[in-house]
Amino acid sequence: GDSVTQMEGPVTLSEEAFLTINCTYTATGYPSLFWYVQYPGEGLQLLLKATKADDKGSNKGFEATYRKETTSFHLEKGSVQVSDSAVYFCALSVGGAQKLVFGQGTRLTINP
Amino acid sequence: ETGVTQSPTHLIKTRGQQVTLRCSSQSGHNTVSWYQQALGQGPQFIFQYYREEENGRGNFPPRFSGLQFPNYSSELNVNALELDDSALYLCASGLPTEGPLHFGNGTRLTVT
Repeated sequence: GDSVTQMEGPVTLSEEAFLTINCTYTATGYPSLFWYVQYPGEGLQLLLKATKADDKGSNKGFEATYRKETTSFHLEKGSVQVSDSAVYFCALSVGGAQKLVFGQGTRLTINP
Repeated sequence: ETGVTQSPTHLIKTRGQQVTLRCSSQSGHNTVSWYQQALGQGPQFIFQYYREEENGRGNFPPRFSGLQFPNYSSELNVNALELDDSALYLCASGLPTEGPLHFGNGTRLTVT
């Protein structure tokens, strides 16, 4: 079945450091790929998405590129801020955005 | 626009009891999905409703059931509660042909 594997957490960085959170997937069809973020006490917010191979999603300084050849969708940010501290989820959907398959999440803590 | 709202925010039930969780979809959205997020895990798809009918189901037993109402609000019902049902339950609304999903802040259910 479809699945998503994320980099194990937690991840702790200093402010202005470079961030990479790895995500790889297995899918039977041609998935759309997503990164969601969950701040403490809140629901999930869509951070970025990509719907086909080689697409790059970007938002708030975060980027991820849909790599079909490596079945990956790694999240990157050049300079993180304390406000980026949250749990990040990689997810995929096949045949529409309604049924999402999530990874286990990566908790990110940014220290000032 | 009004976002996805869920009630209650927290709930404590005893094993064997039944529970109903409620969700109001974001304005203009006509599909609703429910997800279960166990502590430290990614959300898992329970089911989706479109036009008041179940339109996709994840790997959850029949004691998990739902309703969608004409105003697109929704309920998740869980019968014969088990300790492992303790989790954050997330509701998400959207449109059937385009994403993304918009999530509520969830209901934290504790089964003792």
